[in-house]
Amino acid sequence: SAVISQKPSRDICQRGTSLTIQCQVDSQVTMMFWYRQQPGQSLTLIATANQGSEATYESGFVIDKFPISRPNLTFSTLTVSNMSPEDSSIYLCSVEITSNYGYTFGSGTRLTVV
Amino acid sequence: GENVEQHPSTLSVQEGDSAVIKCTYSDSASNYFPWYKQELGKGPQLIIDIRSNVGEKKDQRIAVTLNKTAKHFSLHITETQPEDSAVYFCAATFNNDMRFGAGTRLTVKP
Repeated sequence: SAVISQKPSRDICQRGTSLTIQCQVDSQVTMMFWYRQQPGQSLTLIATANQGSEATYESGFVIDKFPISRPNLTFSTLTVSNMSPEDSSIYLCSVEITSNYGYTFGSGTRLTVV
Repeated sequence: GENVEQHPSTLSVQEGDSAVIKCTYSDSASNYFPWYKQELGKGPQLIIDIRSNVGEKKDQRIAVTLNKTAKHFSLHITETQPEDSAVYFCAATFNNDMRFGAGTRLTVKP
């Protein structure tokens, strides 16, 4: 299966600022997924990022708030913009390497907005 | 879209007992059903999965069953150990669209 490096692992940010989260995969993947996990809750898909095209956002998530970059087949970033305390969550990236290995998650970024 | 329901939300068992977590899904097109274990401060880890052309799959103490007709799948953990304590998530997937259940917090008491 894939090895995903996600950075930073945690951060405390001031409201109104932005944070960019990086996700690096040790092999080439077509699709990368960004999830949000609010405290004590399940995982909610934010968007799907394909290399060379615009990310596809789920209902309730917009590009202005969560811009995503996908410059190549092993890397993606998610930015949380103009943060408010309600954005305090764990943000996770995920990939599917092949149909035999399922989906692998990064270790997550624990964001606290104060 | 797909809707996944998971029960129970919390489960407490004695070490050595079995634990069963159940999920139902709404979209009959879903064809891939993974189970994830999430320990505190970590990302979800895939522990077992099943595809829609299979009814049951087992890996040591963990097994998953799938009933496509009823749109129901379950995770079975036998001979539970304290290190099995974690939050478990089921998910249903179609065309890379993965939807998660709400999670089950399993506590195994020594």
